[in-house]
Amino acid sequence: GDSVTQMEGPVTLSEEAFLTINCTYTATGYPSLFWYVQYPGEGLQLLLKATKADDKGSNKGFEATYRKETTSFHLEKGSVQVSDSAVYFCALSDQTGTYKYIFGTGTRLKVLA
Amino acid sequence: EAGVAQSPRYKIIEKRQSVAFWCNPISGHATLYWYQQILGQGPKLLIQFQNNGVVDDSQLPKDRFSAERLKGVDSTLKIQPAKLEDSAVYLCASSLTADTQYFGPGTRLTVL
Repeated sequence: GDSVTQMEGPVTLSEEAFLTINCTYTATGYPSLFWYVQYPGEGLQLLLKATKADDKGSNKGFEATYRKETTSFHLEKGSVQVSDSAVYFCALSDQTGTYKYIFGTGTRLKVLA
Repeated sequence: EAGVAQSPRYKIIEKRQSVAFWCNPISGHATLYWYQQILGQGPKLLIQFQNNGVVDDSQLPKDRFSAERLKGVDSTLKIQPAKLEDSAVYLCASSLTADTQYFGPGTRLTVL
C-alpha cells in the first residue's frame, strides 16, 4: 500500500541555519503531497502542498518540490527561527478513491537561539 | 472563517470506561475525518464521512469504537470500553475539496 517515510528526528539547529527534512513516498497512483506542522498542544496546520510532478509548494519561507523521479518531497528553509520549532509531518493524498491521507511519523525540529 | 472545533480538549478516564468526543467541521465542508495520533507517530485515519455516509472505516476497531455524523455536520466518536492502548490524541479534520484537509486542535485522551 501507499506509505510515507520521513527522516528520524529530532533535528536540532541554531537560528539562521539551513533546514532540510527528507520525505520519500510510495504510491501506486499520482498523489498530492503535503507538509503539515504541529506546534506543541495544537492540531496540524497545513504548511504547503504540491499536486503534480515538478510543482513547488512554498509558504513562510519553507518550500518543497514534488520529485516524481525520486519519489521525494523534501522540506527546506534557508534560515530557521526559534519560532519554527515544531513537529513536521509529510503526507500524501491518494487521488483515486477516498483521497485519504497517509502520514509519515513526523520529524521534531528544535531551533536554538 | 471559523476552524474545526473539537471538545473536550483533554479527557482522563479509567480503562473499561466509555468516552465520547465531539467535532464541528468548517461550515460547508462535506467530508469529515477522525484520526488517532499515538505519541511519537503520525496520525492514522479511523473513519471518513462524506456528508452523513461512511466512506472508509477500514481501520476503525469496530468492537469498541463507533462514530456517527447525523445531519451531515457535527460528528461524535465514541470508545466503549476504553483500553490502555487507546491513549492518544484524537484529531478531527474536514475538507471542502478532495484535496486539502483542515485539522482541529485535537482531544488528548489518557486511559489509566
